[in-house]
Amino acid sequence: QQPVQSPQAVILREGEDAVINCSSSKALYSVHWYRQKHGEAPVFLMILLKGGEQKGHDKISASFNEKKQQSSLYLTASQLSYSGTYFCGTPTGNQFYFGTGTSLTVIP
Amino acid sequence: DGGITQSPKYLFRKEGQNVTLSCEQNLNHDAMYWYRQDPGQGLRLIYYSQIVNDFQKGDIAEGYSVSREKKESFPLTVTSAQKNPTAFYLCASSIGGDFRRVDEQFFGPGTRLTVL
Repeated sequence: QQPVQSPQAVILREGEDAVINCSSSKALYSVHWYRQKHGEAPVFLMILLKGGEQKGHDKISASFNEKKQQSSLYLTASQLSYSGTYFCGTPTGNQFYFGTGTSLTVIP
Repeated sequence: DGGITQSPKYLFRKEGQNVTLSCEQNLNHDAMYWYRQDPGQGLRLIYYSQIVNDFQKGDIAEGYSVSREKKESFPLTVTSAQKNPTAFYLCASSIGGDFRRVDEQFFGPGTRLTVL
């Protein structure tokens, strides 16, 4: 039931781009993206809904392929502050499942 | 300032003791959630409540109990029946709890529980 994310970890130099993928075995109504820094609470980034509606962060973009039950988060021109663990989350049935997580480290 | 508070930040308990974690929100949100996070792992849903006096089990509810007597409060009790209670516990809230949409969740700072 838990969405699977890839890659598990990625290291970038400042200014480089990254793509984080989230895949579910269940039909998706929506996909949520959060970032968590070490020892802190997750912080909301984006929600993508069926039909193309999106809500969230100005500087981060994402896609949602309902047929493939997949979503991707695009981080462009990465900054040091982008470091953290990224989680996707999806409501399935009467539950909410967070993904396996992707650790992103941006170095100078 | 609106937000979610959890207390305490760190909690130590002896094995076999029940412990209650506090979660309060002043965002006027209907839905509240409890998650557990183990080191290097994602968040797993323990319980959620979409409205006062109603709550539903998440995937890992065994050994936990909750109450929702007030809109702003959703305390979690970790009972002695929970086999591995040491973890980071996060409370969250959202405007509504319709699982077909689920608006963005706002998280509290978390409580790190260690059972000795």
